[in-house]
Amino acid sequence: QVQLQESGPGLVRPSETLSLICTVSGDSMSNYYWSWIRQSPGKGLEWIGYVYYSGYTNYNPSLKSRVTISVDTAKNQFSLTLKSVTAADTAVYYCARHYYGSGQRFDYWGQGTLVTVSS
Amino acid sequence: DIQLTQSPSSLSASVGDSITITCQASQHINDKLNWYQQKPGKAPKLLIYDASDLETGVPSRFSGSGSGTSFSLRISGLQPEDIATYYCQQFGSLPTFGQGTRLEIK
Repeated sequence: QVQLQESGPGLVRPSETLSLICTVSGDSMSNYYWSWIRQSPGKGLEWIGYVYYSGYTNYNPSLKSRVTISVDTAKNQFSLTLKSVTAADTAVYYCARHYYGSGQRFDYWGQGTLVTVSS
Repeated sequence: DIQLTQSPSSLSASVGDSITITCQASQHINDKLNWYQQKPGKAPKLLIYDASDLETGVPSRFSGSGSGTSFSLRISGLQPEDIATYYCQQFGSLPTFGQGTRLEIK
């Protein structure tokens, strides 16, 4: 059974950088895409971007200038950095396995971690 | 971006009822539409993928249909554990989600 777990600071100051890690267990990261998704009361569920196990990435155009997603298959982890955060980036951040085969779907999710942007 | 509009935004039904939630896409997306269930404080859970395929382990009272721009999720024989918010999500282009439908049990 694949399990994902987010970790990182719950509080980030405005204008600073948000950094989260997702640790994957129960399966290899190979041959899968891995996504970050966030959920805020104001914007609902928003896909941030994905990384393939090879390191290839694709980002939501609305966040692309501030986002980096990377992967470390040796540690079975992938990470999110979001620069220059504002209060609008306050959300629950989820990592998810992004199944990309005959169809696409987010089939396994982490439990989510709340990140608050505040001074 | 492809916009997804769900209706209704909320509904109340009784145990044993059948309900339908609809999802309208702003562009043609073939069958690239998934449905998720989210309970309070939990992550979304995949129910239906590719518009009508039931995810492994999901009860058969859940079903999906549609293609193109119009889709629906049906729950036949509501159970108390179905209290949740339901989201559609498309993969016709970069992923987007509907705004959600909150289901309450009378």
